[in-house]
Amino acid sequence: DAGVIQSPRHEVTEMGQEVTLRCKPISGHNSLFWYRQTMMRGLELLIYFNNNVPIDDSGMPEDRFSAKMPNASFSTLKIQPSEPRDSAVYFCASSSGTGAYGYTFGSGTRLTVV
Amino acid sequence: DAKTTQPTSMDCAEGRAANLPCNHSTISGNEYVYWYRQIHSQGPQYIIHGLKNNETNEMASLIITEDRKSSTLILPHATLRDTAVYYCIVRVHFTDKLIFGTGTRLQVFP
Repeated sequence: DAGVIQSPRHEVTEMGQEVTLRCKPISGHNSLFWYRQTMMRGLELLIYFNNNVPIDDSGMPEDRFSAKMPNASFSTLKIQPSEPRDSAVYFCASSSGTGAYGYTFGSGTRLTVV
Repeated sequence: DAKTTQPTSMDCAEGRAANLPCNHSTISGNEYVYWYRQIHSQGPQYIIHGLKNNETNEMASLIITEDRKSSTLILPHATLRDTAVYYCIVRVHFTDKLIFGTGTRLQVFP
């Protein structure tokens, strides 16, 4: 099993540009999560999906952020327009079932907005 | 908000047991305790979880007090590779959300 796959690993973009982060969950996992990690705020849950449906997006910081999961094997997190304060490591994780199963995290995407 | 309290940092000598405490005094009866760790720059890694009973796996042991208000993660023979930030998380049953707190930074020294 290749685990949770995120792309790109690193992204440097200019302020105002659109950024799209990608995630491929583990096959068979029915829940997918997007987290953001910064030194100041730690690991923050942005949004999570269950069976491709967004369940809780209360952590999405503002309308510039959007996430989609068109099918069970792919999700995107988009920032439009990007700002320097969006610079962070973005993690995707997936899990199967509820209550008794842990998450598997990807390696993350390090985003730098200049 | 995270429902757990952990010490900011701890040290442990290589080969000794590392005991990482966690307080979760507001835990409800159907909420699980999860432990994850994050080694520098990597994604968090699942370690162990439990509800009421003590648990053990190949990585660690989890001791949960009878009143479930606190727990301890035990790494029986710490190695330098166990240096990481350890997160104790309370997860509500029948939801998928894991809310991370600030964790404990464990430094294993030679």
